[in-house]
Amino acid sequence: KAGVTQTPRYLIKTRGQQVTLSCSPISGHRSVSWYQQTPGQGLQFLFEYFSETQRNKGNFPGRFSGRQFSNSRSEMNVSTLELGDSALYLCASSRATLAGDVGELFFGEGSRLTVL
Amino acid sequence: GDSVTQMEGPVTLSEEAFLTINCTYTATGYPSLFWYVQYPGEGLQLLLKATKADDKGSNKGFEATYRKETTSFHLEKGSVQVSDSAVYFCALSDGSGGSNYKLTFGKGTLLTVNP
Repeated sequence: KAGVTQTPRYLIKTRGQQVTLSCSPISGHRSVSWYQQTPGQGLQFLFEYFSETQRNKGNFPGRFSGRQFSNSRSEMNVSTLELGDSALYLCASSRATLAGDVGELFFGEGSRLTVL
Repeated sequence: GDSVTQMEGPVTLSEEAFLTINCTYTATGYPSLFWYVQYPGEGLQLLLKATKADDKGSNKGFEATYRKETTSFHLEKGSVQVSDSAVYFCALSDGSGGSNYKLTFGKGTLLTVNP
């Protein structure tokens, strides 16, 4: 069974540019979450999507946005990049249900963004 | 807001030693608690979980008990192996927004086990 796939794995951007990261969840998983991992702040929740709707959002500025498509694939976008946006961006999928359950998150290996 | 505090690393042990990684949390209500592990070169994966007070999660010889009175979820293993070398993350979910997939993580503890 294929795992969570994130693309691209590595990318370098300059300040002011924007970036789009992609995540393909495990087949059958309906929930996709995004996390930012940095040495200083650790793992921080960005947002979660379920059935194309944003179900939860973390404390990040509006420059960070995301969406989910009907096939559960998800993208996140960061506009007007800042040096502090350099991080490993992790996507996680889960089977989830409409009622919500305490399930397991399956993480991808991440997209490492460097902003110069 | 929610927070998770876990012991600073790195932790270095010899094979077959006893492991404890402390984790305490602050949250409203009754959160679910998790330990995730990140092996070198791999993504995070769930190690164990507990969803209510006094629950014990266990997997691969690791155990953690949900202690509401001390707001703790310490990870233990009786005899570690070299293959247990990894970064361990304690996390919680408070179910806000109707979802249990918004996790608050601790900073992670790097464990190195020497033969």
